[in-house]
Amino acid sequence: DQQVKQNSPSLSVQEGRISILNCDYTNSMFDYFLWYKKYPAEGPTFLISISSIKDKNEDGRFTVFLNKSAKHLSLHIVPSQPGDSAVYFCAASPVIQGAQKLVFGQGTRLTINP
Amino acid sequence: SQTIHQWPATLVQPVGSPLSLECTVEGTSNPNLYWYRQAAGRGLQLLFYSVGIGQISSEVPQNLSASRPQDRQFILSSKKLLLSDSGFYLCAWSPQAFGQPQHFGDGTRLSIL
Repeated sequence: DQQVKQNSPSLSVQEGRISILNCDYTNSMFDYFLWYKKYPAEGPTFLISISSIKDKNEDGRFTVFLNKSAKHLSLHIVPSQPGDSAVYFCAASPVIQGAQKLVFGQGTRLTINP
Repeated sequence: SQTIHQWPATLVQPVGSPLSLECTVEGTSNPNLYWYRQAAGRGLQLLFYSVGIGQISSEVPQNLSASRPQDRQFILSSKKLLLSDSGFYLCAWSPQAFGQPQHFGDGTRLSIL
């Protein structure tokens, strides 16, 4: 049972344009959502997060949108740069005491073309 | 600032051999600690987490175990490795407070022959 899905395994975008990565989830108990970026042979790097009380969060070139009714979140990168080429994972966690039990999507490989 | 160290970076082990992967965090105290595995072409799967010394929670039944002998040390072990234990193992930490992201080490690529 895939609770967090990234349906696009790959995405190719021209440098300077907007990159939009999508993520869907099924568990209505998820309350905290994150995006991570991963280069080969490295651990994921945290990019941006959003809690369910918000529908948008911005940090520089990165914006995350959350649509709770559709159980959908997206990451916008504007403008896209060659260094953004990586695998992007969305993750979600329910509200619980103690540790976060993150559930990850399968990842989307983003390629930024010069 | 906080840093997380994970070693070794790569490991090749024969089937049936033991395993010990170590993870340490610096620059913080009383962190939550996590072990994940990433199979080829898949997302990360949470294996274990710990909210304190000696407190371990397992998320999936498996051939592995975890221990937290010190506040900032998290160890992943196996007595006898299986072929299916191959994968990319990642350690992560987060503050105790809710709404703070997890931060990952650089992982260990484990190959079982």
